[in-house]
Amino acid sequence: GQQLNQSPQSMFIQEGEDVSMNCTSSSIFNTWLWYKQEPGEGPVLLIALYKAGELTSNGRLTAQFGITRKDSFLNISASIPSDVGIYFCAGQLWQGGKLIFGQGTELSVKP
Amino acid sequence: GAGVSQTPSNKVTEKGKYVELRCDPISGHTALYWYRQSLGQGPEFLIYFQGTGAADDSGLPNDRFFAVRPEGSVSTLKIQRTERGDSAVYLCASSLMPQAQETQYFGPGTRLLVL
Repeated sequence: GQQLNQSPQSMFIQEGEDVSMNCTSSSIFNTWLWYKQEPGEGPVLLIALYKAGELTSNGRLTAQFGITRKDSFLNISASIPSDVGIYFCAGQLWQGGKLIFGQGTELSVKP
Repeated sequence: GAGVSQTPSNKVTEKGKYVELRCDPISGHTALYWYRQSLGQGPEFLIYFQGTGAADDSGLPNDRFFAVRPEGSVSTLKIQRTERGDSAVYLCASSLMPQAQETQYFGPGTRLLVL
């Protein structure tokens, strides 16, 4: 099935560092979303972006919807140990439709 | 408990057997989605229900997979003649109204292992 290209695959960082991950697609999406998944749980929505060029923050998280509508990035500032998990981008062509996910970025934070 | 619930949490079966996976969406949510997540991958869409009807079943991999939502609430994903390649986490999600900017809320998943 179709998946988005998400990078990096994994990151090992020190507590307090900033983190950046991104997602690209060959297709246009009208909505971009970022989810976090922890072991044994389903993905949890972090940020939703609905407009090309939109920059949205949620606490220490900031995400942008690329102006081409084919990419998005997520930044996490001043990482803490509870940021550990797998982060997924997802694109949605129309509201209410299926989500197309990236392969995930596994984040490890060393105290 | 107001979240999406899925049962069983784990299922081990033998190749060739039939399995049913259940999803209880958040009360009042009209849209329900099934995804499959293989190890080390992101979730992949299987099927989407709006009410009782399947609005999009383009992600079902073959005719061994079938899903129902007879009363517009609980949904069951059915897999016939299971194969080892069906082993994955099956995730269910629901949203309030598919036409609006509504979040898809995911359940914890059912981990299926086909021996």
